[in-house]
Amino acid sequence: AQRVTQPEKLLSVFKGAPVELKCNYSYSGSPELFWYVQYSRQRLQLLLRHISRESIKGFTADLNKGETSFHLKKPFAQEEDSAMYYCALVNDYKLSFGAGTTVTVRA
Amino acid sequence: GAGVSQTPSNKVTEKGKYVELRCDPISGHTALYWYRQSLGQGPEFLIYFQGTGAADDSGLPNDRFFAVRPEGSVSTLKIQRTERGDSAVYLCASSVSGGARYEQYFGPGTRLTVT
Repeated sequence: AQRVTQPEKLLSVFKGAPVELKCNYSYSGSPELFWYVQYSRQRLQLLLRHISRESIKGFTADLNKGETSFHLKKPFAQEEDSAMYYCALVNDYKLSFGAGTTVTVRA
Repeated sequence: GAGVSQTPSNKVTEKGKYVELRCDPISGHTALYWYRQSLGQGPEFLIYFQGTGAADDSGLPNDRFFAVRPEGSVSTLKIQRTERGDSAVYLCASSVSGGARYEQYFGPGTRLTVT
C-alpha cells in the first residue's frame, strides 16, 4: 500500500533563512510525487511535481528513491511562503496525501 | 476561467439527517474526484468519476455515502444518516482526464459539521 509521511506538523523559520520540509513515501512501483500548498483562505493548489524538475517560487524538490524521500527546499524563506504544505503521491489518478506541514515565516 | 466550485461552503446538520454536497468542475474536464479531509489530516480519496461513471469508489467509507454525476459535469455527494464522525471538509477536484499526468484542480471545499 502507498503511504506518505510528513514528520513535521509545524515548522517556523525566520525570513531569509533556509527551509526544508520533509516527506517520505512508501510505494511499490515507480512513484510520481507532488507538493501541494494551501495559503490562508485559499484552495489547495499544486506547487510542483517531481517529473517537471522545475523550481517554483524558489522551491525545489528532489526525488531520492534510495531514501524514499521527496523533501521540499527553499534557500531563503519569504513571509508569503507561510502556508500549509502537503506532499502527495499519485497511483494512476488517486492522490495520497501526507498529513501536512504548517510553515510560518517570521519577520 | 472559473475554477472548481462547491456548494454549500458550510453545512451544519443534525446526526441522522441526509445531506447533499455539490461540485461544479472546470468546464471540459472529464475526470472528477471527491476527497475528504478530517481535522489535522491530509485529504483522503473517496471516489473518481470518468465522465458519468464512477470508475473507482473504493474510498467511500460505507454504504451511507453515494455520489453521482449524471451528465458528466456536476457531481453530488450524498450522505445518508449522518454521523458525528462524518464531520470534515469535503473537497472536489477535476482534471482534463484521468491519469497521473493530468493536474487535479481543487475546489474550496464544503465544511460539514454533524451535531
